[in-house]
Amino acid sequence: AQSVAQPEDQVNVAEGNPLTVKCTYSVSGNPYLFWYVQYPNRGLQFLLKYITGDNLVKGSYGFEAEFNKSQTSFHLKKPSALVSDSALYFCAVSGLSGGSYIPTFGRGTSLIVHP
Amino acid sequence: DTEVTQTPKHLVMGMTNKKSLKCEQHMGHRAMYWYKQKAKKPPELMFVYSYEKLSINESVPSRFSPECPNSSLLNLHLHALQPEDSALYLCASSQSAGASDEQYFGPGTRLTVT
Repeated sequence: AQSVAQPEDQVNVAEGNPLTVKCTYSVSGNPYLFWYVQYPNRGLQFLLKYITGDNLVKGSYGFEAEFNKSQTSFHLKKPSALVSDSALYFCAVSGLSGGSYIPTFGRGTSLIVHP
Repeated sequence: DTEVTQTPKHLVMGMTNKKSLKCEQHMGHRAMYWYKQKAKKPPELMFVYSYEKLSINESVPSRFSPECPNSSLLNLHLHALQPEDSALYLCASSQSAGASDEQYFGPGTRLTVT
């Protein structure tokens, strides 16, 4: 069975500084990895995904993620944080269940960007 | 159009009521999902429809009953709910239920059971 770990409940960063939100995964076979963001009282929004190919994946709103197979990690990064990036971030890995692929989500990391 | 819509936005119901949540997408997606989410927790999968057929039911109590009238619509019928069912109910869709398919989520229905 697949699993995802987000080791940090909360990440605090100052506006303008780089940010990293960590994710490690466990899966048999090829990993299909995703990042989603959730703003307060909203649904989740897809940010980016890794399927295959280049280990650095670029996504929406200036976010990118680095896939590292040897460390089984898929950390989310942004070079310069904005206050508006403050939200709840979920890492997910796709796995087969009942004939359909479904995401297994990490517990979520709350990102707080201070002005 | 990458939008999934859900109605109503908020719902308060008593434990003896019957109500329905509705979800719609016009992206031509063939997989649709219902999730339950408690505050600051990850979404919990309830049901998956693939090509309008129920493919996954994650041991959800029978007081929740899903329905997929066509490829664009997904309903969740609620009956005799418990206070612990109060949560944000999210609908999502994807191109198919494939490994590489990202999901698009609606804004959710905030359900309160009194």
